[in-house]
Amino acid sequence: GAVVSQHPSRVICKSGTSVKIECRSLDFQATTMFWYRQFPKQSLMLMATSNEGSKATYEQGVEKDKFLINHASLTLSTLTVTSAHPEDSSFYICSARDRDRGLSQPQHFGDGTRLSIL
Amino acid sequence: EDQVTQSPEALRLQEGESSSLNCSYTVSGLRGLFWYRQDPGKGPEFLFTLYSAGEEKEKERLKATLTKKESFLHITAPKPEDSATYLCAVLGPGAQKLVFGQGTRLTINP
Repeated sequence: GAVVSQHPSRVICKSGTSVKIECRSLDFQATTMFWYRQFPKQSLMLMATSNEGSKATYEQGVEKDKFLINHASLTLSTLTVTSAHPEDSSFYICSARDRDRGLSQPQHFGDGTRLSIL
Repeated sequence: EDQVTQSPEALRLQEGESSSLNCSYTVSGLRGLFWYRQDPGKGPEFLFTLYSAGEEKEKERLKATLTKKESFLHITAPKPEDSATYLCAVLGPGAQKLVFGQGTRLTINP
């Protein structure tokens, strides 16, 4: 149980392109999903908290106009990197928490999206 | 501010050589401490949750323990397939955001 699917797993595109990443909870409903960024050999850095039916909460230093988050249903959140540039190249990972299991339950992670901007 | 420090940064062991990874934390009102395993190019895989000092959890060759200041992940007789980065994270009183440590990169040589 508690499977989170992230798609696509890898994206290579030209500078200036907008890229959308999907995060789905497959066997549970998630009121809250989280988006992280991870640089090589570093830990996860929280970018934003995605709340179903409301605006996302962004961490300090994360540009909300650059990283658009939509959480339109209890099983799907999307992250769109707008007008991507080479410095946006990174490993993006989403996670979700089962809304029926309490706030102190673990987050379950997708397998990440490797984004490469040429 | 909640903080998590993991040590060592990297650890190399021979197959069968038991050891422990450390996670020291500072949080006002711990709601949970989580251990994850991350393989290269993959997302973190959930291992354990610990909620209160004295609690222990076990899974195969792994055992996690918790005190009021730190958690240990004990690895008994490890195998090469246990090689991965092990991440520790805490959930504070807001019960919303996880705070991660920097991870320990574990390599088990055959």
